[in-house]
Amino acid sequence: EDKVVQSPLSLVVHEGDTVTLNCSYEVTNFRSLLWYKQEKKAPTFLFMLTSSGIEKKSGRLSSILDKKELFSILNITATQTGDSAIYLCAVAGGTSYGKLTFGQGTILTVHP
Amino acid sequence: DAEITQSPRHKITETGRQVTLACHQTWNHNNMFWYRQDLGHGLRLIHYSYGVQDTNKGEVSDGYSVSRSNTEDLPLTLESAASSQTSVYFCATSEGGREYEQYFGPGTRLTVT
Repeated sequence: EDKVVQSPLSLVVHEGDTVTLNCSYEVTNFRSLLWYKQEKKAPTFLFMLTSSGIEKKSGRLSSILDKKELFSILNITATQTGDSAIYLCAVAGGTSYGKLTFGQGTILTVHP
Repeated sequence: DAEITQSPRHKITETGRQVTLACHQTWNHNNMFWYRQDLGHGLRLIHYSYGVQDTNKGEVSDGYSVSRSNTEDLPLTLESAASSQTSVYFCATSEGGREYEQYFGPGTRLTVT
């Protein structure tokens, strides 16, 4: 059975801090790993990673994948209150094309 | 602008009733997915479809059904609602060639009393 585990489950920081969110996975026929941000409503796409060691970057957010150790990290530097959200990690793999298996999510709270 | 709409946004129903949640998309995407989100479980896949007349079971499909008669719509039916089906339900779509980049609707909060 495919499995995605995120840690920590919740995190409280102050503005300006740097945070690292973790995602480990066990998936057959791995294809890609995705990060989503969920604020009050629907998840929105952040990154898709398919190759080890290549950092994806968008502003203060960056992510990297390690396919040997089966994990990914999402870094957020100089956090702002607007970064408060649930961050979801998902992995594409298994026998059915196009399906994602999601982790439990990390709830990030950024205080002013 | 293309979008995904879900209706109703909130619903309260009684145990044993049949409930249908609507999902309509104007992205013209072939792939459509239904998830439920519960605290501590993240998003779990209920059913999915790769195109008209195609439907497949996800990891938590018991008690749910879907049908796909056109590209735009994938309604989710709870045959006989149970309290364990109280949850937030999200519809998502993706296009061929970018199957893993899924776009999500705003969600429906369902309460079964």
